[in-house]
Amino acid sequence: KQEVTQIPAALSVPEGENLVLNCSFTDSAIYNLQWFRQDPGKGLTSLLLIQSSQREQTSGRLNASLDKSSGRSTLYIAASQPGDSATYLCAVSGSARQLTFGSGTQLTVLP
Amino acid sequence: GAVVSQHPSWVICKSGTSVKIECRSLDFQATTMFWYRQFPKQSLMLMATSNEGSKATYEQGVEKDKFLINHASLTLSTLTVTSAHPEDSSFYICSATFRADTGELFFGEGSRLTVL
Repeated sequence: KQEVTQIPAALSVPEGENLVLNCSFTDSAIYNLQWFRQDPGKGLTSLLLIQSSQREQTSGRLNASLDKSSGRSTLYIAASQPGDSATYLCAVSGSARQLTFGSGTQLTVLP
Repeated sequence: GAVVSQHPSWVICKSGTSVKIECRSLDFQATTMFWYRQFPKQSLMLMATSNEGSKATYEQGVEKDKFLINHASLTLSTLTVTSAHPEDSSFYICSATFRADTGELFFGEGSRLTVL
C-alpha cells in the first residue's frame, strides 16, 4: 500500500526567502506525482504535475523535482510571498489514476 | 479550462436525513471521477471511484450503502450521504480528469457537510 509522507508538517518563513518542501513515497511504481495548494476551507489547486518519466517541472516561482528510484519529490518556492501561505499537498498516482495524498505542509509566509 | 464544480459548497442537516452533493465537469467530459473526504487538519482520503454508466468502486472501509454514488452522465457525478450522522461531518471533494496522457486530476471546491 502506497504511503506518502510530507516534511515538515508546518513551516514559517519571512517574506522573500526561498524554501523547500519535501515529499516521500514508499512505492516507486507511480504514474505521476502532483503538487497541490489548498487554502483554508477550499478545494485543491493543481500546481505542478510530474510524469514518472520526468525529473522536474517548473511554473513561475515553483520548481518540483522527482526522484522516483528513491521515492522523493521536492517543491521549491523562490522568493516567497505572503500570498503563498497555504497548505501544500503532495500526491502520487498509481496505474488506476487514484491519488494517494500526503498529510501536507502548512506554510506561513510572514510579511 | 478544466473546471470542476461542486454544489452545495456547504450544507447543514439534521441527523438521519440524506444529503446529495453534485460534482460537475464544466468544460470537459469525465468518464471517471473520484470522491475524497477530508477531516479537519488531515489529508484527503479516497472514498470511491465513480465510473460513468457503471457502479462505483469503493475503497476498503467505505460503506457503499451509506455513500451512494451515481455517475449518470459524462459531466455529472453525485454523492448521497444517506441517514447522515454527526460522524459523517466532513469536507467532501470530488476530482476528475480528461487528460488520458498525463492523468492530471482537477478538483472541485469541496462541500462542507455538518450533521447536527
